[in-house]
Amino acid sequence: EAQVTQNPRYLITVTGKKLTVTCSQNMNHEYMSWYRQDPGLGLRQIYYSMNVEVTDKGDVPEGYKVSRKEKRNFPLILESPSPNQTSLYFCASTATVANSPLHFGNGTRLTVT
Amino acid sequence: QKEVEQDPGPLSVPEGAIVSLNCTYSNSAFQYFMWYRQYSRKGPELLMYTYSSGNKEDGRFTAQVDKSSKYISLFIRDSQPSDSATYLCAMAVGNKLVFGAGTILRVKS
Repeated sequence: EAQVTQNPRYLITVTGKKLTVTCSQNMNHEYMSWYRQDPGLGLRQIYYSMNVEVTDKGDVPEGYKVSRKEKRNFPLILESPSPNQTSLYFCASTATVANSPLHFGNGTRLTVT
Repeated sequence: QKEVEQDPGPLSVPEGAIVSLNCTYSNSAFQYFMWYRQYSRKGPELLMYTYSSGNKEDGRFTAQVDKSSKYISLFIRDSQPSDSATYLCAMAVGNKLVFGAGTILRVKS
């Protein structure tokens, strides 16, 4: 089954404790992206990757890091999480570019206390 | 001003009603227009995808794009309780994709 898999689904952590949210897709997609979803603000792009070793900032990249060492994986790293990063995070992928239909994971709800 | 404006709702309708969901945008360069549906505790899934102005129909769903007015709509005919979800519009040009905030729809049986 074609899918984007995120882990964990739920995460509660404390300020400053480094964490990684994993994302994997099995569709051989070149383009992958991370979004955060907040009430009233919709989906905002954090980082995206056009292919292996090619990443770029989205609209809200501050406080986040990403890497794309393999085509299927695109982890999101929070080196020093803060309470304002409490949000619902989605990983997405598509075959080519951002204007193609995106396949989303089921989300990671992060709470930073 | 946001690039894409979407009324968050919630919009509550009886089963069988015709639903109209709308988005306006300010960037006239947008070329691709999408509607995603998001159920609770799930990721968004693509519902409709259009490239140009006009209407596109898929079963009970019709997507309408009016580039001259910078306005897009999604119509749902014979709405069902299973249509209860958040509907997000999205617009793209090149590698730029912008989402609306989403409209919560509740269809009551």
